Amino acid sequence: KAGVTQTPRYLIKTRGQQVTLSCSPISGHRSVSWYQQTPGQGLQFLFEYFSETQRNKGNFPGRFSGRQFSNSRSEMNVSTLELGDSALYLCASRDRGNSGEQYFGPGTRLTVT
Amino acid sequence: AQKITQTQPGMFVQEKEAVTLDCTYDTSDQSYGLFWYKQPSSGEMIFLIYQGSYDEQNATEGRYSLNFQKARKSANLVISASQLGDSAMYFCAMREGPGSGAGSYQLTFGKGTKLSVIP
Repeated sequence: KAGVTQTPRYLIKTRGQQVTLSCSPISGHRSVSWYQQTPGQGLQFLFEYFSETQRNKGNFPGRFSGRQFSNSRSEMNVSTLELGDSALYLCASRDRGNSGEQYFGPGTRLTVT
Repeated sequence: AQKITQTQPGMFVQEKEAVTLDCTYDTSDQSYGLFWYKQPSSGEMIFLIYQGSYDEQNATEGRYSLNFQKARKSANLVISASQLGDSAMYFCAMREGPGSGAGSYQLTFGKGTKLSVIP
């Protein structure tokens, strides 16, 4: 099976702009989670989706939003970008019946200037 | 209090030697899961090993084993016969709750340990 894919891999945006990141989970996986990784804060949970429903949300401002489509693909959107939003954004998918393994994509590296 | 603590910011190990990366956790849940991930400089998080809180045996996956000491709330990763390709950041993570059914699968990560394998 193909792994988790994320597009784009790299992105440079200007403060105040908005950005949309995309994640395609492993085929058959219906659960998708998003994480933000920064040198200062480490890895932090953003959201979790299952069957187009947000199951859980991390402690991030409302500028961060996401959604999941019927084919399990997910997008996250960040509006009014701030310099502090520069980070590696990682998407992970899992088979919902499995309480163990969760597989990550290669990430999207966002730089806000 | 931090839920996942990795006390070793950096570790060095000689090629072909074994190395233990420390991880302690804090949770009041009875059902939880513990994970180790490897992150090379490319950035992708690679799943290594999983231990459920009710698993009686320590998890093993090839050269990786998880030394699970429930009473001490520790879940150390042991890498046997280190290879140059093992040089990377290693993250310990925890999922609180059963993670199946309607439960959330949110992972809480530690700060990581940077492992360097010396030839």
